[in-house]
Amino acid sequence: KAGVTQTPRYLIKTRGQQVTLSCSPISGHRSVSWYQQTPGQGLQFLFEYFSETQRNKGNFPGRFSGRQFSNSRSEMNVSTLELGDSALYLCASSPTQNTGELFFGEGSRLTVL
Amino acid sequence: AQKITQTQPGMFVQEKEAVTLDCTYDTSDPSYGLFWYKQPSSGEMIFLIYQGSYDQQNATEGRYSLNFQKARKSANLVISASQLGDSAMYFCAMRENSNFGNEKLTFGTGTRLTIIP
Repeated sequence: KAGVTQTPRYLIKTRGQQVTLSCSPISGHRSVSWYQQTPGQGLQFLFEYFSETQRNKGNFPGRFSGRQFSNSRSEMNVSTLELGDSALYLCASSPTQNTGELFFGEGSRLTVL
Repeated sequence: AQKITQTQPGMFVQEKEAVTLDCTYDTSDPSYGLFWYKQPSSGEMIFLIYQGSYDQQNATEGRYSLNFQKARKSANLVISASQLGDSAMYFCAMRENSNFGNEKLTFGTGTRLTIIP
């Protein structure tokens, strides 16, 4: 069974640009959530989607947005990139609501110059 | 207040020894889940073990076990017979279930475990 797939794995952008990251959950999983990991702030929750609906949102500015498609694949977008957006962005999926296990992908490492 | 506290920034352990990674949590929600993840240098978060707040027995998964002490609000990870491949960052995380369908995890700051040959 394939795991959570995130693309691209690495990318470099400049300030002011925008970026879109993609996440394909494990087959059959309907919940997808996103996290940002930085050395200074650690792992922080961005948002979570279930059946194409955003159910929960972390404390991030409106430049961070996301969506989920009918096949459960999800994308997150960051507009007007800032240097501080450099981070590892991790996507996680789970089968349904409030289940035990939550599986992560390998992450997309974004560098903003 | 910190919801998840990992007090050991780094640990060095001899190969084949057992190791305990500490985690305490703070919640008023009666229903919650506790997770441990391993993050090697590649960046992927690898799920290790899960404990639900209503689970009667401590969770075990192979060499991993979770020492769940509900009254003390602690959820320590025990790795038996450590191996060189266990060297990584380890994160404790909690999901509070007060909101139906809430998949938000709150993570601790992590413990960097180094296994010495």
